[in-house]
Amino acid sequence: NAGVMQNPRHLVRRRGQEARLRCSPMKGHSHVYWYRQLPEEGLKFMVYLQKENIIDESGMPKERFSAEFPKEGPSILRIQQVVRGDSAAYFCASSPLSVANTEAFFGQGTRLTVV
Amino acid sequence: GIQVEQSPPDLILQEGANSTLRCNFSDSVNNLQWFHQNPWGQLINLFYIPSGTKQNGRLSATTVATERYSLLYISSSQTTDSGVYFCAVEKTSGSRLTFGEGTQLTVNP
Repeated sequence: NAGVMQNPRHLVRRRGQEARLRCSPMKGHSHVYWYRQLPEEGLKFMVYLQKENIIDESGMPKERFSAEFPKEGPSILRIQQVVRGDSAAYFCASSPLSVANTEAFFGQGTRLTVV
Repeated sequence: GIQVEQSPPDLILQEGANSTLRCNFSDSVNNLQWFHQNPWGQLINLFYIPSGTKQNGRLSATTVATERYSLLYISSSQTTDSGVYFCAVEKTSGSRLTFGEGTQLTVNP
């Protein structure tokens, strides 16, 4: 059973470009969470999705950031017009049920560098 | 929101030493997990332990939910134990894990 798969592992973007981060949850998991980790800090919640639905996006900036988890395919975190402050590690987690009731597993992260 | 405090923030050990890491949280929780972030940045699940005690090799964990804390014990530490240890909790009826700031562990040979 493959773990949570994120790609790319490393992404370099120039200021103003778009970044698209992908996350394939573990088999049988329908709950996906995105977190951001700034250098030397803990992980901060961004958004919680189930298939075709955004359940909680309270941690995601209102502008430039969006997330989706379509019926088919991976979850996508999209950052438009990136700025240097977006440089961070972005982690995706998945669980078979809500984390209120079960263990969550994390991918290896995508390290975004904005130059 | 729920507050998660980890202590100590930094810990330096000699190989073979034992250590205890603490996680305090400010509200009732349904979920508590311990993770190890290795020097390559990967997050590794250590324990899913909303209550009780679990052991896995040289590591064990105890959560006392009524007193709102959890402890992670590392015995006979090895250099490969180095990294950051995170505690993360989910508040009752919540929808996300809230992470502490972590304990940076360095194990010297």
